Amino acid sequence: GAVVSQHPSWVICKSGTSVKIECRSLDFQATTMFWYRQFPKQSLMLMATSNEGSKATYEQGVEKDKFLINHASLTLSTLTVTSAHPEDSSFYICSRGGSYNSPLHFGNGTRLTVT
Amino acid sequence: DAKTTQPTSMDCAEGRAANLPCNHSTISGNEYVYWYRQIHSQGPQYIIHGLKNNETNEMASLIITEDRKSSTLILPHATLRDTAVYYCIYSGGSNYKLTFGKGTLLTVNP
Repeated sequence: GAVVSQHPSWVICKSGTSVKIECRSLDFQATTMFWYRQFPKQSLMLMATSNEGSKATYEQGVEKDKFLINHASLTLSTLTVTSAHPEDSSFYICSRGGSYNSPLHFGNGTRLTVT
Repeated sequence: DAKTTQPTSMDCAEGRAANLPCNHSTISGNEYVYWYRQIHSQGPQYIIHGLKNNETNEMASLIITEDRKSSTLILPHATLRDTAVYYCIYSGGSNYKLTFGKGTLLTVNP
């Protein structure tokens, strides 16, 4: 069964509003979780690394004030897209780390459409 | 960024083995090779991973060359549901970020 739960699976919002996406690790207390974004016909691009109890680490070119990440517990990380614009419309996917050589497991993604 | 090279696309007949190659010539000694696949509009699904020995699980087999510079994912009896984009990635472990390339679109034909 799924070990990473992502919610919602899809959301439509109006330009200028904020949207929160939740990522839950169901079977493992994850100190590290990752957020990816995927545009149509493109590969996944890492946005940020979410660290439990500390600030997230953002990849180059990702605005940390626009994509707020909170990892307040070992089983939950949230991504908030603030003041969303149509160009933020994308497929957002989270994943959770594990023990050293165990694989990352991914959520089923959230399709965000900003109108 | 960790870089791998995979063919853009491959075709396979249903019921036959699908062999997906990957070059990872810059892999370091402590980095694992991971394979994932992504079916349209879903999150990536873990398939298999390995360090230097060949691995097999219920989904696939992973063959890693002795110099570790390349590997092959084998789906022994491909089905239509195996049609997906397959990603080969290497990383120092699951708390290390994974960098996805473009992957291989495998199309299984009836």
